Amino acid sequence: DAKTTQPPSMDCAEGRAANLPCNHSTISGNEYVYWYRQIHSQGPQYIIHGLKNNETNEMASLIITEDRKSSTLILPHATLRDTAVYYCIAASGSARQLTFGSGTQLTVLP
Amino acid sequence: GAVVSQHPSRVICKSGTSVKIECRSLDFQATTMFWYRQFPKQSLMLMATSNEGSKATYEQGVEKDKFLINHASLTLSTLTVTSAHPEDSSFYICSARVGSGGAGGIDTQYFGPGTRLTVL
Repeated sequence: DAKTTQPPSMDCAEGRAANLPCNHSTISGNEYVYWYRQIHSQGPQYIIHGLKNNETNEMASLIITEDRKSSTLILPHATLRDTAVYYCIAASGSARQLTFGSGTQLTVLP
Repeated sequence: GAVVSQHPSRVICKSGTSVKIECRSLDFQATTMFWYRQFPKQSLMLMATSNEGSKATYEQGVEKDKFLINHASLTLSTLTVTSAHPEDSSFYICSARVGSGGAGGIDTQYFGPGTRLTVL
């Protein structure tokens, strides 16, 4: 799996968009970008994944640069319940395992 | 969406005893399940990959005789921590992989809520 780099922490005001960046400059052509989040003392929650195109679901949007070397997870209207550690993972579509880095601690402030 | 459960959510045991943790995929069949361990303020570390009907594959440094894994059906995998010691105290999390055509897309993993093990 390609290595990913994320800022260790970010703050966001409640109701505003949270934009979480991820660098994956060595990503290979068959590797997807997955995003998970982990709220304190819970198991990770799947958010979204993408390969080349931007993706959107009910939780978030994923913007992948054209060269695929970086991506941004967007939570359009952050709430206090979005406070969590967000993990960006690059892995092949048939990945047998996910390698978790240290992630970004997002704190949504009231 | 795909739901994974774990039982128990929290267990406290005495040193030397064995503890069994169950991981179930509730609304899908999982040929592959994974077991992770997470120590305080650290990220998840993969312990082993559990395949239905075959032996588990353990990551380097994980003792297979101490962490027994059984994947007896397509919806159930169990992790038994044998002769537990205080250093085994951790947050144990399982995940199940949904293959192609699953609700999450290509081989997305869904995680259980975790089991907090405390060994006294």
